[in-house]
Amino acid sequence: DSGVTQTPKHLITATGQRVTLRCSPRSGDLSVYWYQQSLDQGLQFLIQYYNGEERAKGNILERFSAQQFPDLHSELNLSSLELGDSALYFCASSVDIYSGANVLTFGAGSRLTVL
Amino acid sequence: QKEVEQDPGPLSVPEGAIVSLNCTYSNSAFQYFMWYRQYSRKGPELLMYTYSSGNKEDGRFTAQVDKSSKYISLFIRDSQPSDSATYLCAMTTGNQFYFGTGTSLTVIP
Repeated sequence: DSGVTQTPKHLITATGQRVTLRCSPRSGDLSVYWYQQSLDQGLQFLIQYYNGEERAKGNILERFSAQQFPDLHSELNLSSLELGDSALYFCASSVDIYSGANVLTFGAGSRLTVL
Repeated sequence: QKEVEQDPGPLSVPEGAIVSLNCTYSNSAFQYFMWYRQYSRKGPELLMYTYSSGNKEDGRFTAQVDKSSKYISLFIRDSQPSDSATYLCAMTTGNQFYFGTGTSLTVIP
């Protein structure tokens, strides 16, 4: 267990629908990152939050949005879903305030299937 | 030019072999260098990280960073079938993380 919790593990939905993916970072980590990984593809950075504020944006579609709440958990909202949105979505957290090591710790991912 | 380059493989070795995985990078500002192992359809698992240059050893794994050559390596000694996975290198300037595309490794019993 990495300490980063993602729910749901699996999600099957239809085109045009909206889903919300949830992430709880490791205790003490202030930053949350979202990544998308399509089948046999590399990790695509979507967005980063630090202590509730958006810090950086990657290749995130306008149909997607995210936020980080005061308790540091984060949600990724995906709307008007298309078949091509089927992928693994990973959350990762960083900035261990106790050790200072700036490395990413990933959750187990949410597998989204759009039919 | 990509920030991080990694040979995608695939790499196939017999059990017990020494495996060498490598990445090159272009940004001299990178400070932390990480190696992740990803089993199929699972989350990347942090194997090792190093700060700045030098070597770091953890059991059968050794990570090396050569900042003068902008080259990092992960060595796996006495490779096991359970080491079969995709290995991703990653590095950061402090805020943004840059990943290699991953090298697929198969260890044949």
